Amino acid sequence: DVKVTQSSRYLVKRTGEKVFLECVQDMDHENMFWYRQDPGLGLRLIYFSYDVKMKEKGDIPEGYSVSREKKERFSLILESASTNQTSMYLCASLNRPGPVSYEQYFGPGTRLTVT
Amino acid sequence: SQQGEEDPQALSIQEGENATMNCSYKTSINNLQWYRQNSGRGLVHLILIRSNEREKHSGRLRVTLDTSKKSSSLLITASRAADTASYFCATDLEGGSYIPTFGRGTSLIVHP
Repeated sequence: DVKVTQSSRYLVKRTGEKVFLECVQDMDHENMFWYRQDPGLGLRLIYFSYDVKMKEKGDIPEGYSVSREKKERFSLILESASTNQTSMYLCASLNRPGPVSYEQYFGPGTRLTVT
Repeated sequence: SQQGEEDPQALSIQEGENATMNCSYKTSINNLQWYRQNSGRGLVHLILIRSNEREKHSGRLRVTLDTSKKSSSLLITASRAADTASYFCATDLEGGSYIPTFGRGTSLIVHP
């Protein structure tokens, strides 16, 4: 049974704090993604990684950084949290796309509140 | 901007009725996928339809794709209260990255 796990379901941080969100997948997938989800805006891609130590900016990378030191783990870092980063954060993984599947597997999400 | 846009934004029906959601997109695609999200949870993949396919079925789900109109529909037949969720379409662009772009979703409520 495939699984993507996120380190926290709920997180409350103060403005200016450094925040780490961790994501782990057990499917040996090549690609991993971080999205944020806000009401009325859907899912927006922050960063993705197609291999260990490789990363690409998504649509809204400002204020975020990522780290992928191991294939199974993809971390999202908020260097200095701000209230406008209060959101639901979703991690996903995807095997190498091909004729079989483009299906992404999502974690349960982390609801981050920055006060 | 969003590649796919779902319509309606919200849908409320009674158990047993059919639910139809639509997705329109702007540029040619390779694939279109539908995902489901229960409240406060991650997304779950439902079905993928390729640009050369017109219709696919999976259990009570029926997806159609009309590339000439750049639109897709998701039909859930004989809906159940457990189908209450948000439904998203995701598209990846023809000749572009394999990374899908998600729409804003349709919120479906099925009343028992």
